[in-house]
Amino acid sequence: KQEVTQIPAALSVPEGENLVLNCSFTDSAIYNLQWFRQDPGKGLTSLLLIQSSQREQTSGRLNASLDKSSGRSTLYIAASQPGDSATYLCAVRRVYNFNKFYFGSGTKLNVKP
Amino acid sequence: EPEVTQTPSHQVTQMGQEVILRCVPISNHLYFYWYRQILGQKVEFLVSFYNNEISEKSEIFDDQFSVERPDGSNFTLKIRSTKLEDSAMYFCASSIPKGIHEQFFGPGTRLTVL
Repeated sequence: KQEVTQIPAALSVPEGENLVLNCSFTDSAIYNLQWFRQDPGKGLTSLLLIQSSQREQTSGRLNASLDKSSGRSTLYIAASQPGDSATYLCAVRRVYNFNKFYFGSGTKLNVKP
Repeated sequence: EPEVTQTPSHQVTQMGQEVILRCVPISNHLYFYWYRQILGQKVEFLVSFYNNEISEKSEIFDDQFSVERPDGSNFTLKIRSTKLEDSAMYFCASSIPKGIHEQFFGPGTRLTVL
């Protein structure tokens, strides 16, 4: 079974700060890992997808890294903005069954103007 | 850009009633999924569907749940007799069976059972 944990559960930072969100998973035999953004009461917006053979992916101010051997991923957000305020979810799929996502509980980010 | 759509966006029902949640996957996708998220909890996998049959289901997906692809475009989740604890956001997703099998998620249907 795959357990996905995200810390911190909540984070409040002033605008402009760089920040790191953490995700850990118990089974390192992953197919890929994906970071999503969820606004209150809304759907899941895919941010970055990292295949198991990759170490990192970048999109704009976002950078996600993957260390399979230690079961960790980080999402780095540069120069945070109030519009980045949302819940960030980490989700993994296992090699043995890549049809099924295992989600973390998320980190709720508040960027203060 | 193609996207997964879901209707309705919000469904309110009485306990014991049947509900059908509808999804239109991306047109060339062949794998379909339902997930749910109870308020304040993790997103949980419910079921995957391929080639007109369930390929996997979770322990949550009991006899009260069923899925169907009634035509070439829709994918539905039916809850036969809703319970209070079925109140949640339900997400549909779809993927193609090749490459990285990336799942694309719909905007969700919020189900409220009174």
